Amino acid sequence: EDQVTQSPEALRLQEGESSSLNCSYTVSGLRGLFWYRQDPGKGPEFLFTLYSAGEEKEKERLKATLTKKESFLHITAPKPEDSATYLCAAERAQKLVFGQGTRLTINP
Amino acid sequence: EADIYQTPRYLVIGTGKKITLECSQTMGHDKMYWYQQDPGMELHLIHYSYGVNSTEKGDLSSESTVSRIRTEHFPLTLESARPSHTSQYLCASRAGTGAGELFFGEGSRLTVL
Repeated sequence: EDQVTQSPEALRLQEGESSSLNCSYTVSGLRGLFWYRQDPGKGPEFLFTLYSAGEEKEKERLKATLTKKESFLHITAPKPEDSATYLCAAERAQKLVFGQGTRLTINP
Repeated sequence: EADIYQTPRYLVIGTGKKITLECSQTMGHDKMYWYQQDPGMELHLIHYSYGVNSTEKGDLSSESTVSRIRTEHFPLTLESARPSHTSQYLCASRAGTGAGELFFGEGSRLTVL
């Protein structure tokens, strides 16, 4: 069964304190690994898609990496505005399977 | 910025009422999806469509129904709402080619009393 698991469930950091979020997946025939950001009461906002192991993508303070079993979202020197829930999703056969998300809080 | 719109954003109704959640996109996307999300939980796919007159049920069983008679419009209907239907409903779309990103609407938060 296709499954996506994110850890930790919640993470609280001080402003400027770098860390990583993990996304483990078991999806046969992976077509893409997606990262989204979701603010409270809003729809998810697209961040990255990774297609093959070894691929990396960066956007401002965020960098996403992919291996054959997991993906990491590295956040460098975060700011309070980076506080949000970060969702990971694995695609197989045109459908995305989402993890439960990591709720990230950055304290000033 | 994604051009996908959901109405209403918030809806509180009584048990037994019929409701329709609207979703429209102006990007000409063939593929559209409905996800259900409870607070702090993952998104679950309940319906999807790959084009006009094409609809399929998703991985999570749902009592709702959908229709797709126009490319840009993908409404979701509950014939008789129950408290168990209380949730956030998210509509999404993507282009028909490749494995492009999913664009999400802002969501419709439904509360059934």
